[in-house]
Amino acid sequence: KNQVEQSPQSLIILEGKNCTLQCNYTVSPFSNLRWYKQDTGRGPVSLTIMTFSENTKSNGRYTATLDADTKQSSLHITASQLSDSASYICVVSAVVLQGAQKLVFGQGTRLTINP
Amino acid sequence: DGGITQSPKYLFRKEGQNVTLSCEQNLNHDAMYWYRQDPGQGLRLIYYSQIVNDFQKGDIAEGYSVSREKKESFPLTVTSAQKNPTAFYLCASSTQGRGVQPQHFGDGTRLSIL
Repeated sequence: KNQVEQSPQSLIILEGKNCTLQCNYTVSPFSNLRWYKQDTGRGPVSLTIMTFSENTKSNGRYTATLDADTKQSSLHITASQLSDSASYICVVSAVVLQGAQKLVFGQGTRLTINP
Repeated sequence: DGGITQSPKYLFRKEGQNVTLSCEQNLNHDAMYWYRQDPGQGLRLIYYSQIVNDFQKGDIAEGYSVSREKKESFPLTVTSAQKNPTAFYLCASSTQGRGVQPQHFGDGTRLSIL
């Protein structure tokens, strides 16, 4: 069964600190892995997309890693800011028939940055 | 600015009533999607459309219906057959070109039961 599991479920850190969010998946055949940021009451916004051949990708203070062998990904946030408070969603894309892609969403990690 | 507009932001449904959620995009994307988001769960696909006048059921299509008469518009109707409609509904779109195509999301409609 295609699944995406994220940990921790929630996390609270102080402003300026770093943190790492985890994503494990069992999706097959793998196409790509995405991290989204979702502010409360808003739609998700794409942070990074990584294909099988990429093992790290950065977007400002956000750095995503991918280990396709162990089927794990992480999202590292450096020097956190209050505006980083949001849910972070890991999404894995599987290739289905005729090249279409099926997205499998994790349940998200709720990150709170305290001043 | 290009983007996806969902309306209304909040919607209330009475027993036995059908309600329609609007989704409009000006990104010139071919594919459009509807997701449902419940607390503590990942997004689940309701319906998707890869081209005008064509759409496919997702994982949880029962109690929902869609239409795709225009490229820009993909409205979702929550029918009275959907017994647990309270959720946050997200519309998304993407291109159909080669390579990895990110999905762009609207800001959602929160549906509640009166």
